[in-house]
Amino acid sequence: GESVGLHLPTLSVQEGDNSIINCAYSNSASDYFIWYKQESGKGPQFIIDIRSNMDKRQGQRVTVLLNKTVKHLSLQIAATQPGDSAVYFCAENSRTGTASKLTFGTGTRLQVTL
Amino acid sequence: EAQVTQNPRYLITVTGKKLTVTCSQNMNHEYMSWYRQDPGLGLRQIYYSMNVEVTDKGDVPEGYKVSRKEKRNFPLILESPSPNQTSLYFCASKRGNVGGGNIQYFGAGTRLSVL
Repeated sequence: GESVGLHLPTLSVQEGDNSIINCAYSNSASDYFIWYKQESGKGPQFIIDIRSNMDKRQGQRVTVLLNKTVKHLSLQIAATQPGDSAVYFCAENSRTGTASKLTFGTGTRLQVTL
Repeated sequence: EAQVTQNPRYLITVTGKKLTVTCSQNMNHEYMSWYRQDPGLGLRQIYYSMNVEVTDKGDVPEGYKVSRKEKRNFPLILESPSPNQTSLYFCASKRGNVGGGNIQYFGAGTRLSVL
């Protein structure tokens, strides 16, 4: 499949353990944040989102935490499975007039070991 | 099945030979966008369209053109491709812009090599 990055930071986690992927964003005016998962040979796939007026949101096995004070976002994956192996991107949404724009981070590769 | 479809998936071409990458979505989304993905740089927006006949430049528009004649289609045109346009390209769509939902749905990607 297509390579999404040769020098991505990599997180290696044992199957069954919890994973925490971190992201620093740049725009303090960003109002919405999204985590995407990209498997080899595929396009980014939506995982979970959070609005700026929240600090935590939970989905199925995933939790996103937002710390606006330090402009930090994290994705927690509980009981990591081999199928979670992928590159994970955070994205921040900002508004310019009537348009909104998503700016993506460079990604973190998650490797799940058996 | 709701999806964004790009064609072709893989393309090798030579410098200067015009090409078009097609993108089609079946979700009746107003907003569509093109990104390129390069190692270490993440996804960068090339062009976007907020609705039919409305297009605007993203962060890296040089060397690209787009059109939005119909709601479902948003082709990416390289009039005179150059080797620095070798990249992985993604088309995406979402329901609306401001107040219309922010989750973008992506196609599977087009790997372009310009020799």
